Amino acid sequence: SQTIHQWPATLVQPVGSPLSLECTVEGTSNPNLYWYRQAAGRGLQLLFYSIGIDQISSEVPQNLSASRPQDRQFILSSKKLLLSDSGFYLCAWRGRGVYYGYTFGSGTRLTVV
Amino acid sequence: RKEVEQDPGPFNVPEGATVAFNCTYSNSASQSFFWYRQDCRKEPKLLMSVYSSGNEDGRFTAQLNRASQYISLLIRDSKLSDSATYLCVVNRIDDMRFGAGTRLTVKP
Repeated sequence: SQTIHQWPATLVQPVGSPLSLECTVEGTSNPNLYWYRQAAGRGLQLLFYSIGIDQISSEVPQNLSASRPQDRQFILSSKKLLLSDSGFYLCAWRGRGVYYGYTFGSGTRLTVV
Repeated sequence: RKEVEQDPGPFNVPEGATVAFNCTYSNSASQSFFWYRQDCRKEPKLLMSVYSSGNEDGRFTAQLNRASQYISLLIRDSKLSDSATYLCVVNRIDDMRFGAGTRLTVKP
């Protein structure tokens, strides 16, 4: 069966520090991969999605970037965090085809201080 | 206009009540639709896919009206454990768009 792993679960980082969040998927190949952010009490905002290795689409231009160095690995990064980067970051995967739903990782709660 | 819009809520209902959530979408080319459930401080989890003919899963019934571009979720005989935020999700070619969610609280 397919599983998705996301870590760390919680992170407290100072303003201006770098960020690296990692997500891996097991049990499937060539998945669509996604990074979402959810601010406190708000809806889900799509940040990046990838349909293949090194193929990244950005929805929101900001100080975040994403990379997909391997088929089932998706990384979210920042060189310098802002206070506004605080939130709940969720990685998700979806199979090919429009009738698949998302499966989310357990999320990373990031607090920038 | 947002691509996916949901009832703002919150909904506060007693145990055993029937509650309905509505959701509208703007992209007529959307092909698949889902309801997700999100508990506080947790990731969203798939509750139901929504099929064109409507579908039922126990106490939950989902309906799709393509002509009016809306989706509904009906919960019968509400349980305390149904308390959560319900997210309407509409599929695009490479990604999915989420509504802001409707919070449901079921009270004893």
